[in-house]
Amino acid sequence: KAGVTQTPRYLIKTRGQQVTLSCSPISGHRSVSWYQQTPGQGLQFLFEYFSETQRNKGNFPGRFSGRQFSNSRSEMNVSTLELGDSALYLCASSLRRDFHNTGELFFGEGSRLTVL
Amino acid sequence: DAKTTQPPSMDCAEGRAANLPCNHSTISGNEYVYWYRQIHSQGPQYIIHGLKNNETNEMASLIITEDRKSSTLILPHATLRDTAVYYCIVSLYNAGGTSYGKLTFGQGTILTVHP
Repeated sequence: KAGVTQTPRYLIKTRGQQVTLSCSPISGHRSVSWYQQTPGQGLQFLFEYFSETQRNKGNFPGRFSGRQFSNSRSEMNVSTLELGDSALYLCASSLRRDFHNTGELFFGEGSRLTVL
Repeated sequence: DAKTTQPPSMDCAEGRAANLPCNHSTISGNEYVYWYRQIHSQGPQYIIHGLKNNETNEMASLIITEDRKSSTLILPHATLRDTAVYYCIVSLYNAGGTSYGKLTFGQGTILTVHP
């Protein structure tokens, strides 16, 4: 069974550019969450999507956005990149809407973004 | 979500049990305790979770105190591959849709398993 797939794995951008990251959840998983990980702030929740709708959002500026497609694949976009956006962006999928029943979020390997 | 406190680092000899403590003194009755770990350069991996009873799976055991204010994750026979950052997370159960998909990660415990 394939795991959560994130692309690209590594990318370099310059300030002011925008970036789009992709996440393919485990087959059958309908909930996709995104996290940002930096050395200073650790792992922080960005947003969660279910049935193509954003259901939960963390405390990030509007430059961070996302969407989910009918096949549950998700993308996140960061516009007007800043140096502080350099981070590992992690996607996680879960089987059901209420993941607490299973207790598991399945994380991908992440997309490492460097902003110069 | 309740805040958790973990030691920043711990060491363990290979083959011995690793006991990772977590304090969550402000936990409420409907909050679960979750443990995840993150091996360097990989995404976090779910280990185990529980509400108030002790839990065991193929990876680890979770011991929750009777007052639920602390818990211990036990890796019964640690190997070098268990070297990772271990996160203890307390999260609401089905909080009206406001916590779906969201886990609040702290700084975790860096567990180093030595040969």
